[in-house]
Amino acid sequence: DQQVKQNSPSLSVQEGRISILNCDYTNSMFDYFLWYKKYPAEGPTFLISISSIKDKNEDGRFTVFLNKSAKHLSLHIVPSQPGDSAVYFCAASAANAGKSTFGDGTTLTVKP
Amino acid sequence: DTGVSQDPRHKITKRGQNVTFRCDPISEHNRLYWYRQTLGQGPEFLTYFQNEAQLEKSRLLSDRFSAERPKGSFSTLEIQRTEQGDSAMYLCASSLVVDPSDTQYFGPGTRLTVL
Repeated sequence: DQQVKQNSPSLSVQEGRISILNCDYTNSMFDYFLWYKKYPAEGPTFLISISSIKDKNEDGRFTVFLNKSAKHLSLHIVPSQPGDSAVYFCAASAANAGKSTFGDGTTLTVKP
Repeated sequence: DTGVSQDPRHKITKRGQNVTFRCDPISEHNRLYWYRQTLGQGPEFLTYFQNEAQLEKSRLLSDRFSAERPKGSFSTLEIQRTEQGDSAMYLCASSLVVDPSDTQYFGPGTRLTVL
């Protein structure tokens, strides 16, 4: 049973436009949701997170929205840049559970 | 501190051989995680430590896999009698137990190829 799902394996957008990456989860016990970015031959790096008590968190060009009733979150990147091209993983954690659960990732390609 | 490091970065071995990987976490981090990642999938949890205690192991971790963190600092992951299905990227990450979001900092990974 995959508790965190990213249903779009890939996304392609034009430079300067908005990128929207989606993530669905099934476990209502998750307290935090995180996005990681991964470039080839590197480990994932933390991008942005949101607590389950919030519905929006913004950091520069990156905004994460959380819809608890729908068990859905999304990452918005505005404006998208070619350097944003990477694999983006959605992850979720429950307080004191000691581990995060990751989705399978979405490969974002930003075309110049 | 330069972040999480892993050694080696690449390992090619023959089926049936034993391999050992090392992870050095960020020095003040007390949690350490091992993941396995295959193409097209996200990091798959294997096990994690809080200081030197191994608190959880994935059901998917067969008895050929063992991990240690003897002094609560670096950790090793050993795979005995490797199989071709063990070919994957093995990722290590660390975090602070006081961080409620469990933000993890990953190393570059060790890519294992079993021939």
